[in-house]
Amino acid sequence: DQQVKQNSPSLSVQEGRISILNCDYTNSMFDYFLWYKKYPAEGPTFLISISSIKDKNEDGRFTVFLNKSAKHLSLHIVPSQPGDSAVYFCAASVTQGAQKLVFGQGTRLTINP
Amino acid sequence: KAGVTQTPRYLIKTRGQQVTLSCSPISGHRSVSWYQQTPGQGLQFLFEYFSETQRNKGNFPGRFSGRQFSNSRSEMNVSTLELGDSALYLCASSLSGSFSYNEQFFGPGTRLTVL
Repeated sequence: DQQVKQNSPSLSVQEGRISILNCDYTNSMFDYFLWYKKYPAEGPTFLISISSIKDKNEDGRFTVFLNKSAKHLSLHIVPSQPGDSAVYFCAASVTQGAQKLVFGQGTRLTINP
Repeated sequence: KAGVTQTPRYLIKTRGQQVTLSCSPISGHRSVSWYQQTPGQGLQFLFEYFSETQRNKGNFPGRFSGRQFSNSRSEMNVSTLELGDSALYLCASSLSGSFSYNEQFFGPGTRLTVL
C-alpha cells in the first residue's frame, strides 16, 4: 500500500523555467511533509518542509504547496538550474511519535541547458 | 559539524551470510533511523532508535535488527541474507522529538550486494 505517491518517474525542464514536482498521499494522519533531493552515491538532502497548518512554504527558489483536501503537495523550483538535476523524493510523517518518514518513489528531474 | 557517517560504504556478501552495518549520527543527535532503498520499492523505513531503545519499526522480517549504543551510534544487522536484500541502506539522524518532528539528516549509505 503506497501511502505516498509520485506518479511521474521523470521530468525534463529547460534551464530558467519552472519545475513542478507533484506528490499525492492517502493517509490523512500525515501532518508534516518534506522534500528531499538525492544525487547518485549520496544520501538524500533535506530541501524544504511544510506543516499541515500551512498551505505554502517558501525558501529561496523552492516553494512547497499543500492542498489538504486533495491530499496533494507540489514542489516548485524557479528558476530551474542545471545543478537542480537530481532525484526528488516527497516524504510524509505524523508529527507526534517516532521519526518515521514515508517516502514516495521519487522523480528524476533533468534540467536542460 | 561532521555529518552522518556510515561504514562500510560498499559490501558484497553471499546468500545465507549475515552482515552488520554501522552508523554514526551527527554529534548531539539522539535519534537514528534506518531506511532501505531499492529500485522497485523506493525508500522504506526499517526502524528508529532513540536513547538505545527501538521506538518504531517498519514492515520488515525479523532477519533485520538493530541496536543503538549509549553514544547514539547505531548498528543494523541482517541475518541469513537473501538476494532481495541487495540495496542501499541509509541511516538518518535527528535531534529527538517525541512530540515534534525534527529534520532528518542522511548519511551517504552502505551499498550491499548479495550474490
